[in-house]
Amino acid sequence: ETGVTQTPRHLVMGMTNKKSLKCEQHLGHNAMYWYKQSAKKPLELMFVYSLEERVENNSVPSRFSPECPNSSHLFLHLHTLQPEDSALYLCASSQGQGGYNEQFFGPGTRLTVL
Amino acid sequence: GQNIDQPTEMTATEGAIVQINCTYQTSGFNGLFWYQQHAGEAPTFLSYNVLDGLEEKGRFSSFLSRSKGYSYLLLKELQMKDSASYLCAVSDSNYQLIWGAGTKLIIKP
Repeated sequence: ETGVTQTPRHLVMGMTNKKSLKCEQHLGHNAMYWYKQSAKKPLELMFVYSLEERVENNSVPSRFSPECPNSSHLFLHLHTLQPEDSALYLCASSQGQGGYNEQFFGPGTRLTVL
Repeated sequence: GQNIDQPTEMTATEGAIVQINCTYQTSGFNGLFWYQQHAGEAPTFLSYNVLDGLEEKGRFSSFLSRSKGYSYLLLKELQMKDSASYLCAVSDSNYQLIWGAGTKLIIKP
């Protein structure tokens, strides 16, 4: 595997389910990000991890819970989601945290909440 | 507030030239990025401008004017594979990326 991978690619869940999204980067980067992408809207930064520590949490509802066990893996745990949470969830990584380094994105998980 | 504006959709003809504009109002400026995103795929990096002027990279060029809060992405010799969304993002004073909603570019034969 190369680059940034995400699993699953598609996920349908009910509002009472618990699920997790997984991201893995094979680039040796030290920063990882979760974004939410909704149709015709800007990318919304959800969480940033730098050197495995969370450095950003943009007022994301507690029903989204990130986990970064090491510099290569990032999870997004989902619990009691709402239909408006349906979107494409993108993971990205970069060498060095901050908005001056190119970010490498994974293909995303298309999430549908019923 | 912070704001990035870019056209929602543009149409161009194969072989032609197209310019996609991006205007921004942010608290501070530490560079501007352009990303390309094909439908159903991950965004991929195209360019980064932090100084005024034009940066050329093959068929793609990116221009920045910091005094005007303005950038454009110029695509020459358009090919069908250039049909994609083009995302503009600005790094603010905290090095946070502020993203535009993207411009969907449709290329017609």
